[in-house]
Amino acid sequence: RKEVEQDPGPFNVPEGATVAFNCTYSNSASQSFFWYRQDCRKEPKLLMSVYSSGNEDGRFTAQLNRASQYISLLIRDSKLSDSATYLCVVNGPPAAGNKLTFGGGTRVLVKP
Amino acid sequence: GAVVSQHPSWVICKSGTSVKIECRSLDFQATTMFWYRQFPKQSLMLMATSNEGSKATYEQGVEKDKFLINHASLTLSTLTVTSAHPEDSSFYICSGMNTLSYTGELFFGEGSRLTVL
Repeated sequence: RKEVEQDPGPFNVPEGATVAFNCTYSNSASQSFFWYRQDCRKEPKLLMSVYSSGNEDGRFTAQLNRASQYISLLIRDSKLSDSATYLCVVNGPPAAGNKLTFGGGTRVLVKP
Repeated sequence: GAVVSQHPSWVICKSGTSVKIECRSLDFQATTMFWYRQFPKQSLMLMATSNEGSKATYEQGVEKDKFLINHASLTLSTLTVTSAHPEDSSFYICSGMNTLSYTGELFFGEGSRLTVL
């Protein structure tokens, strides 16, 4: 089992619709979680951190479910500019050297 | 956010030559630098972690003699792909972190696309 797994997609989303996808992680001792966005042929950029209580940033909502070991990202009112690959990043426990592990990414395509 | 500058953005070289990629943290001290490789339609794969002034720690399967990493200062790390071959063609990305003020966020360079002919 991979340490961090994501559905690669693509998720084809009509403009204005809502899309949500998950990321599962295998190490229950993982400390912190992030969603990064990567556009084609560009470097990843931090979209948002994921907090235990869940957090929202505009149209984006992130949730953490420690019991089931997954995080989720929900995008409301999708815009064409939301088309990108969304990378889940998990920070391992200090005992593992705080290693950051990337998921394979979920590709989202927002269409008019 | 913090800025990491990576050069060159694109490089094409002949098989057997060596290529050096530089990564500079412009407005913070990168005590730790990570080097990643990304093949088309795949995720970032960590190649190595380097701490300033120390030898890099390589991930399993990454040849340390082929991918030379130098992190001699808090603002500069380099990756040299020695005797490059076509299978080394990839997108290489660095990211820096200041472990003293770590928030969890990684600051990435713009990436270097290497094509080996």
